[in-house]
Amino acid sequence: QSALTQPASVSGSPGQSITISCSGSSSDVGGYYFVSWYQQHPDKAPKLMIYDVTNRPSGVSNRFSGSKSGNTASLTISGLQAEDEADYYCSSYSSRTTLVIFGGGTKLTVL
Amino acid sequence: QVQLQESGPGLVKPSQTLSLTCTVSGGSISSDSYYWNWIRQPAGKGLECIGRVYGSGSTIYNPSLKSRVSISVDTSKNQFSLKLNSVTAADTAVYFCARARLEGDVHVYYFDYWGQGTLVTVSS
Repeated sequence: QSALTQPASVSGSPGQSITISCSGSSSDVGGYYFVSWYQQHPDKAPKLMIYDVTNRPSGVSNRFSGSKSGNTASLTISGLQAEDEADYYCSSYSSRTTLVIFGGGTKLTVL
Repeated sequence: QVQLQESGPGLVKPSQTLSLTCTVSGGSISSDSYYWNWIRQPAGKGLECIGRVYGSGSTIYNPSLKSRVSISVDTSKNQFSLKLNSVTAADTAVYFCARARLEGDVHVYYFDYWGQGTLVTVSS
């Protein structure tokens, strides 16, 4: 069982928007602005998409956005494209371990 | 352009020691601006931080693995290494090395550069 809770799967049609949730506790998601999101295509390394809750690294499309409310963070992808189909992982600093902890991952299917 | 590359045996017998090395190119591993991490991913499952090492050699380990893990740095080779002893089938996973930034004394808690990952299977 992963430290952060994500839905196992979400789906959407091209052009639509989807949101992936990531639930934690006050010791991680709720207590710090250190939530990140990663995209992982099959047999590839994870790619950083969002850091510090809302920030996008250079080169990441502005169709990706992040937010947080209480102990739950969210990743929203707008204008879905076929290449967005991948696994998405949230992560957060955890004061219990002083390490980064991850969610179990969400498989995004673009219909 | 920073690149990280994992290397090591792909097959380890139960009860033996898993040993992996991450070679960093395009940047100095001894820089005060970064810290270096090992992360693993069992097949079809999520990611787990194993631990991190600084250019100084100091380390932080995941409490769930602390009794079995050791991470070290070799600044002369621009490499850092992972040793996990007494392995079982549960340690079968893709192992990634990854970089995170330090901004002065402040840690950045995300990984901006990753290796491609290496599959380690624990089996007799």
